[in-house]
Amino acid sequence: GQQLNQSPQSMFIQEGEDVSMNCTSSSIFNTWLWYKQDPGEGPVLLIALYKAGELTSNGRLTAQFGITRKDSFLNISASIPSDVGIYFCAGLNNFNKFYFGSGTKLNVKP
Amino acid sequence: DAGVIQSPRHEVTEMGQEVTLRCKPISGHDYLFWYRQTMMRGLELLIYFNNNVPIDDSGMPEDRFSAKMPNASFSTLKIQPSEPRDSAVYFCASSSRTASGNTIYFGEGSWLTVV
Repeated sequence: GQQLNQSPQSMFIQEGEDVSMNCTSSSIFNTWLWYKQDPGEGPVLLIALYKAGELTSNGRLTAQFGITRKDSFLNISASIPSDVGIYFCAGLNNFNKFYFGSGTKLNVKP
Repeated sequence: DAGVIQSPRHEVTEMGQEVTLRCKPISGHDYLFWYRQTMMRGLELLIYFNNNVPIDDSGMPEDRFSAKMPNASFSTLKIQPSEPRDSAVYFCASSSRTASGNTIYFGEGSWLTVV
């Protein structure tokens, strides 16, 4: 079945550093979504991408929908302690089914 | 706007008891999803509805799990009888196709512990 490979699994960075994570798939998707989950909470939508090649920003966050429609990345610039959490990608295929990556756990050292 | 509302937020129950989780989707959304999240398996889709009709329940673990959506603003996920391995966070989510595309929004989750 379709799978999303999300990497890295975890990151330990210093406050102020930039962060990059990505998701890849063997199949194409029509939509890519990026979420952040804080401990004890549900995933919260950060950025939604609907077109191949689309580059969208939300504050210090930037995400891109890969041209091949099989990948997406999320960048966080100038990380701060409140960026700590688990980031998930999700893809929507032609059959209107969502698939989720396994998450990237981000740790930021002050 | 109110987001997806789930209840209870936390539940601790004894093995063998019935558990009912509730969800109110975002008004106007025509898709409703139930997910289960564990450390080992991540986010797993259990079942989803479109216009209150179950479309895909292939993720429901076994007959002990059942889900209903009697109307557009309410859904339940029931586990009967519950077992310790059912301990997980259960998320309800809803979505709607817009001119831009399709985006899924999650509730805050129901944290279930079966002892």
